[in-house]
Amino acid sequence: EVQLVESGGGLVRPGESLTLSCGGSGFSFSGAWMNWVRQAPGKGLEWVGVIRSKISGGTTYYATAVKGRFTISRDDSTNTVFLRMNGLKAEDTAVYYCTTERSGALPNWGQGTLVTVSS
Amino acid sequence: QSALTQPASVSGSLGQSITISCTGTSSDVGGYNYVAWYQQHPGKVPKLLISDVTIRPSGVPDRFSGSKSGNTASLTISGLQAEDEADYYCSSHTSSSTYVFGIGTKVTVL
Repeated sequence: EVQLVESGGGLVRPGESLTLSCGGSGFSFSGAWMNWVRQAPGKGLEWVGVIRSKISGGTTYYATAVKGRFTISRDDSTNTVFLRMNGLKAEDTAVYYCTTERSGALPNWGQGTLVTVSS
Repeated sequence: QSALTQPASVSGSLGQSITISCTGTSSDVGGYNYVAWYQQHPGKVPKLLISDVTIRPSGVPDRFSGSKSGNTASLTISGLQAEDEADYYCSSHTSSSTYVFGIGTKVTVL
């Protein structure tokens, strides 16, 4: 059974940084393209970014809203994907989900971790 | 990277069929067969319903079906059931190798 567990969320002040982690199990993590998706309170889903598998180049892509501030990385030795968030803004407040990807879709989701940016 | 356009709400009676549209551009929906649909009940994690425009993952009831014409994809729910009341989101791969979600549609079962 595929399991994804996010951690690292919390309350931070505007301008601060935070790193989220997502541990995966039950699938070939090293071969997986991993995505981050967020959902602001009461709002819709927003794609954040993706990191491809190392065999696919390990390339990262980001949504315009976070490009230059957020960085996705992975450690295949520990089956973990990270989301480093710098220069956080109030509008980054959201539940952050990590997901697997297959054929342009996101079949497996973690339970999410809440990030609140407030002074 | 604008969100895909979906109706804010759609309603239908038990047993009825409804269709949710998802309109993008030739740089996303129209350009790729990587359109997916997700269902999200309140307070729950989104669930994949459809991938590759028309493919239902194992376990998804066959009353859910997807299609696409030009820059618009559609999700049809046939034989609407009470548990289908939820929010529905479409997504698409884009020409920038990114993904974009729709704004979401709230389905109400009357």
